[in-house]
Amino acid sequence: KQEVTQIPAALSVPEGENLVLNCSFTDSAIYNLQWFRQDPGKGLTSLLLIQSSQREQTSGRLNASLDKSSGRSTLYIAASQPGDSATYLCAVPSGGYNKLIFGAGTRLAVHP
Amino acid sequence: NAGVTQTPKFQVLKTGQSMTLQCAQDMNHNSMYWYRQDPGMGLRLIYYSASEGTTDKGEVPNGYNVSRLNKREFSLRLESAAPSQTSVYFCASSNRDGSSYEQYFGPGTRLTVT
Repeated sequence: KQEVTQIPAALSVPEGENLVLNCSFTDSAIYNLQWFRQDPGKGLTSLLLIQSSQREQTSGRLNASLDKSSGRSTLYIAASQPGDSATYLCAVPSGGYNKLIFGAGTRLAVHP
Repeated sequence: NAGVTQTPKFQVLKTGQSMTLQCAQDMNHNSMYWYRQDPGMGLRLIYYSASEGTTDKGEVPNGYNVSRLNKREFSLRLESAAPSQTSVYFCASSNRDGSSYEQYFGPGTRLTVT
């Protein structure tokens, strides 16, 4: 059964730091991995989707990498800002039909 | 472009009451999903619909029913609400064709059962 783990569960950093959020999964037979952002009391916003054939994807200050063989993905946030404060979730499809298995998330606080 | 919409945004029910959560998407996606999110846990799949006319159980289907009304709409029904169903419910949609399987989420319905 696919399991997804995110470390750390919470992170508090000063503005301007470069950050790495980790996601690990137990079954490497995935065809993509998706990173989401969730603001308090809000829905999920898709940040990046990495296909299994790719090793990384970039969007602005965000860079996500995928290493299927080791069952790991990292989300790198460059030059963090207070507006980056949110919970970040990773998810992988499992059992067909793009059904997603989620990690519990990393709650990020960036303080001025 | 509205994306995925959900109604209602908030709901309070008493134990034993029933209600239907509505979801609609305007992206012409084939697949739709219902997840629940509980504190300290990731989202868990309740039911999904791979295409219009089909539905199937996810990880936590007990106490719920669904209807895929048409390609756009996918509703979730609680027949007899229980306090354990207090949660935030998210609807999502995606396509299974082509190179992208990106899943898009609605804003959620916050349900409290007393």
